[in-house]
Amino acid sequence: GENVEQHPSTLSVQEGDSAVIKCTYSDSASNYFPWYKQELGKRPQLIIDIRSNVGEKKDQRIAVTLNKTAKHFSLHITETQPEDSAVYFCAANGAGGFKTIFGAGTRLFVKA
Amino acid sequence: SAVISQKPSRDICQRGTSLTIQCQVDSQVTMMFWYRQQPGQSLTLIATANQGSEATYESGFVIDKFPISRPNLTFSTLTVSNMSPEDSSIYLCSVEGRAGGSNEQFFGPGTRLTVL
Repeated sequence: GENVEQHPSTLSVQEGDSAVIKCTYSDSASNYFPWYKQELGKRPQLIIDIRSNVGEKKDQRIAVTLNKTAKHFSLHITETQPEDSAVYFCAANGAGGFKTIFGAGTRLFVKA
Repeated sequence: SAVISQKPSRDICQRGTSLTIQCQVDSQVTMMFWYRQQPGQSLTLIATANQGSEATYESGFVIDKFPISRPNLTFSTLTVSNMSPEDSSIYLCSVEGRAGGSNEQFFGPGTRLTVL
């Protein structure tokens, strides 16, 4: 089955700096790669996603890149703000069905 | 988007007992998913529930421990049976939104379970 690895587990940046989180997946049949943000005590919410026919997608301060050949994808947050502090999960979907498999998560701290 | 509610929001249970968690969606969906999120951990898929058929369980999860019902296209239940402290976790139901071809997962608010 699909396996998603995520790094780093913890990331601390200064406000205004960029943050990058990286993930790899194992199943080449996966074709949808979402990123979720989970604030303390709340449910995960989608912040950006990318499909396998696209190499990069951007939404304001957030961008995601995908390298299908290497089977890795990354989340880039620019001009970080304290409210970006949360746990971020990458995920992969589409291989062998419709289930979404999540990475271990990255706890991002943005210091003011 | 899908609006999902779960009941109960939290519970404290004694070991050896069972708890049934309910999940209600505001629209008809083919598949519903049940996840477990242990403290400080990621989301682990327990099973996929299709209406009209038996749930499909992931490795490490079995029907006797986590029986699931899916009586219609807007509702599902997950039972945590014969609970032990290791079952203490947040349980989330989820559905996939297909509007515009998206595979976005929408999550319920979760059920926080503590087993003493």
